[in-house]
This record gives sequence, C-alpha cells and structure tokens, in this order.
Amino acid sequence: GESVGLHLPTLSVQEGDNSIINCAYSNSASDYFIWYKQESGKGPQFIIDIRSNMDKRQGQRVTVLLNKTVKHLSLQIAATQPGDSAVYFCAEREVNTGNQFYFGTGTSLTVIP
Amino acid sequence: NAGVTQTPKFQVLKTGQSMTLQCAQDMNHEYMSWYRQDPGMGLRLIHYSVGAGITDQGEVPNGYNVSRSTTEDFPLRLLSAAPSQTSVYFCASSYGDNQPQHFGDGTRLSIL
Repeated sequence: GESVGLHLPTLSVQEGDNSIINCAYSNSASDYFIWYKQESGKGPQFIIDIRSNMDKRQGQRVTVLLNKTVKHLSLQIAATQPGDSAVYFCAEREVNTGNQFYFGTGTSLTVIP
Repeated sequence: NAGVTQTPKFQVLKTGQSMTLQCAQDMNHEYMSWYRQDPGMGLRLIHYSVGAGITDQGEVPNGYNVSRSTTEDFPLRLLSAAPSQTSVYFCASSYGDNQPQHFGDGTRLSIL
C-alpha cells in the first residue's frame, strides 16, 4: 500500500505560538484525510478531517489545508497550549485499496511553557 | 456513552499461547477495525468488519482471527502468539468507512 509520511518527527513550540505539522501522501486516489492526536498511553483522538473536494477546513483553533497538486496536508494549531503536547498523525483513505486508511508515523509536538 | 472499550489493557504471553483481545462499542457503529501500532511505524490495519457477520483482511492479517457476531463486539484472536506480535493493539469503530474512527485506549501486548 501507499505510505503516508511526515516531514518532521519532532516539533517544539513556545506556548501561545502557532504550530504547523505537515504530512505528505503519495496516492492521488486518496479522497479523505484525517488528523489524529495521540497522548501517551491513550488511543488516537479525532481532531479534524477534510475531503478531497476541499482545500481548507477550520475547527476550533485548528485548520487543515490540503494541496492535492503536491499531495500535501498540514495541520495548523493556533495559540498552542501545553495540553496540545502529543503525537499528531495524519491518515488517508485510499479508494483503490478497499477504502482502507493508511496512517503516518506521527510528529511529536512539545509545547514549552 | 463509554465509546470503544478494550480489554485487557496489558497482557504478557509466552510464545505459542493463544488469547483474545476484546473490543466493544456502544455507539451502534457498523464499521469496526483492529490496528497494531509499532515504534516508528504508522497504525497498520489487521482486520475490519463493515457489519455483523462480515469481516475482511487488512494489511497485516497473518496470525490473527476475528469474528463479528454482534454490532457491539469485535474480538481479535491470536492463534499462536509469536514475539513479532508484541505491539500495542487498537480497536476502532465508525459509522462507515468514510467517517472518522473512534479508538479505544489500546491493549499493550508482550510476547516472550
């Protein structure tokens, strides 16, 4: 199957700054993308999703951008807080492999108070 | 609602032993799946089910069996545990395969 990659394995930001986490995907047939947050010892938690017919979607303090031309996905977190410290990973749904989701390895975000 | 509940949270097995990881959800979701999470790798799909009585293989199904006799429950069975199956196992559920998945908190499994 196709792999989903993340540009940076770790990211440290100052509390109050904005965070940007990137994700590259390689399957142009993917039609649905999800960002998850995973805290230590917990299961992944849904943050925000976007479908391939959209370029941008906003939630509370989070924005997901999708660039289908370069197969790139990003998660922006505004005014990062200590509670945002976690591992973030993206998932893509590939329609040509039985609609299965493929997950990236994750970026570890550390918020410095 | 409890969401997705996985038991046990931790388990240590010896090579060759068998066991069942339990997963239950109370959201009336049709779609359920099992993933394993290993260091340096993304979640990998083991088996999934689109509804009661229907199961299918994912990316890494070897050594695992599943069944879906009810909408709520989706147990994962290890037939003969091997050290390579040491991992964290997550169960997830959703309304469909094009909807966000709700995950349990995982079962941490060590095979000695």
